[in-house]
Amino acid sequence: AQRVTQPEKLLSVFKGAPVELKCNYSYSGSPELFWYVQYSRQRLQLLLRHISRESIKGFTADLNKGETSFHLKKPFAQEEDSAMYYCALEGAQKLVFGQGTRLTINP
Amino acid sequence: DAGITQSPRHKVTETGTPVTLRCHQTENHRYMYWYRQDPGHGLRLIHYSYGVKDTDKGEVSDGYSVSRSKTEDFLLTLESATSSQTSVYFCAISDGGPMNTGELFFGEGSRLTVL
Repeated sequence: AQRVTQPEKLLSVFKGAPVELKCNYSYSGSPELFWYVQYSRQRLQLLLRHISRESIKGFTADLNKGETSFHLKKPFAQEEDSAMYYCALEGAQKLVFGQGTRLTINP
Repeated sequence: DAGITQSPRHKVTETGTPVTLRCHQTENHRYMYWYRQDPGHGLRLIHYSYGVKDTDKGEVSDGYSVSRSKTEDFLLTLESATSSQTSVYFCAISDGGPMNTGELFFGEGSRLTVL
């Protein structure tokens, strides 16, 4: 069975500080992992996917198969990064999401 | 935003009444999904469709049914609403399909309150 765990419901950091949102997964197959973001009053949208190996809005995420993790990182947080973040795992024709982490960036 | 609309956007109903939520897309995407969003649980998949008349259950399908008679419409029905079904419901669509790492596009959500 697919399972995604985001251990932090809430995360608060100061502007300019580094950010790391944790995501761990459980899946017997080859994982395809994503980060989705929901800004205030906006639709849930894709932030990045691991196969692209790209940086979006300064965020990066590396798949670590040994630790079954896909943590989202940004070296210097900005106030506009405040949002709800979901880690997601694709498999068997569906996308399974974690519980979400609400990130707040304090000025 | 992808051409995806949900209706109604807000609904208050009483326990035991039937409720139908509609998801309409103009993108001609093959895959459509219904999720519910609850604090502490994140997004959980209720049902999904991989084509007209082709649907399957997600992780929290009990108490819900779906139908897809046309490519553009995916209906979610609560036959007899319960208070535990109070939630925000999101529809999502995808063209490449999950096995092709297709990106999901989400609707704005439908907030349902069951009294």
